Amino acid sequence: ETGVTQSPTHLIKTRGQQVTLRCSSQSGHNTVSWYQQALGQGPQFIFQYYREEENGRGNFPPRFSGLQFPNYSSELNVNALELDDSALYLCASSHDRGRRNTEAFFGQGTRLTVV
Amino acid sequence: GNSVTQMEGPVTLSEEAFLTINCTYTATGYPSLFWYVQYPGEGLQLLLKATKADDKGSNKGFEATYRKETTSFHLEKGSVQVSDSAVYFCALSLNGGYQKVTFGTGTKLQVIP
Repeated sequence: ETGVTQSPTHLIKTRGQQVTLRCSSQSGHNTVSWYQQALGQGPQFIFQYYREEENGRGNFPPRFSGLQFPNYSSELNVNALELDDSALYLCASSHDRGRRNTEAFFGQGTRLTVV
Repeated sequence: GNSVTQMEGPVTLSEEAFLTINCTYTATGYPSLFWYVQYPGEGLQLLLKATKADDKGSNKGFEATYRKETTSFHLEKGSVQVSDSAVYFCALSLNGGYQKVTFGTGTKLQVIP
């Protein structure tokens, strides 16, 4: 067990709504990344948070936003949901310290379905 | 941009068969290369990694060698087991760490007894 937990595990939302997904990082980890995995595809990098600051972003629109809290847990918010946002959302945590970084551990994901 | 291309699946093998899953990459700079595995109903797990040219990553009988000249990182295992049935993802990162990873589309492996 990696210690990275995500909630909820499954979620159904209506197009146009907003959603918040949560990730509790492994103890001692200061970095969290979020990924979107569409069905049958590989995960795509959304953004990364390091010590509460966004530290890199993939090719996702601004309606995808996030937060990292002082305890290094994190939220992913998606506004104005579209059908194509239906996917498995994964978070990964690691402890980054310059060039000496620990392995990133993934949570089991939140399955979001937009109808 | 950075990208990873891996062979399409599904790949179906009999137990004890030899496995190769091809992976090639395009990257600016010198990436670290990874293979991740996703077992049914579970999250992604790091299987092995290599951080520089000619490095060989290995774990649980799986191996992959970082080939800079062919920009490849093919996954191999000499004798697969039913328990190896999973989806395998080739991936890279450019920051020297394990985050901001670019993944391939995944290859589903099914091993039959």
